[in-house]
Amino acid sequence: EIVLTQSPGTLSLSPGERATLSCRASQSVSSSYLAWYQQKPGQAPRLLIYGASSRATGIPDRFSGSGSGTDFTLTISRLEPEDFAVYYCQQYGSSPLYGFGQGTKLEIK
Amino acid sequence: QVQLQESGPGLVKPSETLSLTCAVSGYSISSGYYWGWIRQPPGKGLEWIGSIYHSGSTYYNPSLKSRVTISVDTSKNQFSLKLSSVTAADTAVYYCARASTNWGFDYWGQGTLVTVSS
Repeated sequence: EIVLTQSPGTLSLSPGERATLSCRASQSVSSSYLAWYQQKPGQAPRLLIYGASSRATGIPDRFSGSGSGTDFTLTISRLEPEDFAVYYCQQYGSSPLYGFGQGTKLEIK
Repeated sequence: QVQLQESGPGLVKPSETLSLTCAVSGYSISSGYYWGWIRQPPGKGLEWIGSIYHSGSTYYNPSLKSRVTISVDTSKNQFSLKLSSVTAADTAVYYCARASTNWGFDYWGQGTLVTVSS
């Protein structure tokens, strides 16, 4: 079983700043199988990034993903007020077939 | 535009079976894709429950496999979840979603809170 560990648990930043969120896997994950989601209170998660670095439809280009193997990063280049939310990484292919990290809360400083 | 909508009881008694249905609009389930269920206990993270293809092929989370059944009704363009022998630990918001070909879930329902309590 691949365990995804996200850090930090909470990230406090101001609008306009750059956010860097980490997702570390306990075993190597194919880059094709790594995704990122944004979830706001009371809403379903929204797919941001798939294949580690490809933006999903309609996602602004301030969101970018990178990484390979066991270390993956979601970067938000310049935070907008609507970006403050919880972010999850997700892998496909190991047991269980889909696994999620525990989440990083991005809060306004 | 693909839309998913969960429905079912919001309150289930311990030891009983939780049953939910996800109605899909804007896309025919028979056309392809896997369709899945994901849950989120209050204040906690996401847990994949299982997925089904229009043919009926299923994959389940091993941690829940003994209690889960996912089925599909292509004539109604919907798929369903049954989780048996529920306990308070099964209290969660349950989401249905489409598993895209890029290995993420690209369309989600709004979610439905199911509380397990007597």
